[in-house]
Formats: sequence, C-alpha cells, structure tokens
Amino acid sequence: DVKVTQSSRYLVKRTGEKVFLECVQDMDHENMFWYRQDPGLGLRLIYFSYDVKMKEKGDIPEGYSVSREKKERFSLILESASTNQTSMYLCASSFRRQLSGNTIYFGEGSWLTVV
Amino acid sequence: AQSVTQPDIHITVSEGASLELRCNYSYGATPYLFWYVQSPGQGLQLLLKYFSGDTLVQGIKGFEAEFKRSQSSFNLRKPSVHWSDAAEYFCAVGGGTSGTYKYIFGTGTRLKVLA
Repeated sequence: DVKVTQSSRYLVKRTGEKVFLECVQDMDHENMFWYRQDPGLGLRLIYFSYDVKMKEKGDIPEGYSVSREKKERFSLILESASTNQTSMYLCASSFRRQLSGNTIYFGEGSWLTVV
Repeated sequence: AQSVTQPDIHITVSEGASLELRCNYSYGATPYLFWYVQSPGQGLQLLLKYFSGDTLVQGIKGFEAEFKRSQSSFNLRKPSVHWSDAAEYFCAVGGGTSGTYKYIFGTGTRLKVLA
C-alpha cells in the first residue's frame, strides 16, 4: 500500500514563528503536493513538486515555501506563521509518468493552530 | 475553466437507505475522475476511480460510480448506507494528459447517517 506520512498531526504555534511541516512517501512518486483544507472551501493547492529541487506554485502560495531535497520528502514552510494560516494541511503524492491516469494519495493531515 | 461541482453540501440519510452523491465536472481533456472519503480528522482515502472503459466503476466499501459523458457527471452511489459511512466525500478530476499535477477537487459533501 502507498504510504504518505505526515510527521506532525497536531501543532500549536505562535504568531511569527517559523513552522515546518514534513511529509514522506514510500512509493517512489515523482509528484508531491501540499494542500490546505478549510470548511466550505475544499482543498486548495499551495505548492507542487514534480522532481527533486523542483517546485511550482499552486493556487494559494502566499505566505508559504517548500523544500524538496530528496525524492521521498516534501516540506512545507511557514516563514512567519499568522492566525489566518490556522488550518488542516494535507500532503499528497502521485506518479508523474503518463499511465492511464495517476491516482493521488494523501497523508493523514496536519492540524495547525496559530495563536 | 476546469471545475468540479458538488451541489449538495450536506446530505442526511437513514441507515439502510440508498445514497447518491452528485458530482459534475468541467474539464477540457479526457477526464480522469476520482471519489475520496474523509473521516473526521483524517486524510482522504480513495474510494474509486475512472480512467477509461466501463462507465460503471466499483470501489471499496460497496460504493460505485457512473461516468456519464453527456451529462459531465460522475455520481457516487451505494445501495444501502451503514452508519460508518458518515464522512465527507470529495469528487476530483485530473491527473491525466492535460496536466499531470492538476487535480481539481469539489468542495465536498458531508454525509450524516441516521440510526
């Protein structure tokens, strides 16, 4: 089975702190994603990476950055956390090569509260 | 523009009753379609997917979905709902030839099951 692991399930951080959310996948997937989930807004893509050291902005990248130094690991960074970044963060991964559709697999999510 | 619409934000059904969750999409290329389920506080789990072939797709937990190209729909069904099916359900499109990373999610339908 595909395993996408988010190391921190619940975090409470103070405004202005630097926050790291870590994600590891064990399926040798090329693509990795960070989504943010808020009630009534569904899933919104923050950043996407299709290869090591490669990244692309998603729909809501402001206030976030990412790092992909190894294929299996994709980190989301909040340089200076703000209260409006309180949310559920979901990491996901998928193959990149053009098979007959590439399924995206999700981690369990990280609940971040910024106070 | 590419989009996914889940017109029902909340649905309540009695245990043992049948269920249909609606999903309509707008997608320029051949759609690859997915349904995910999310239990409270958890990540998204894949229920089923449609890539090609038979338009009636079987998934896990007794769910099925039917792709109707003429109606741009991919509705999820279950003949008899169990209390454990209470969760939020997301329809998604993408991951195909038009953009390997472009997965678009609906805003979700929250299912409540009455005993």
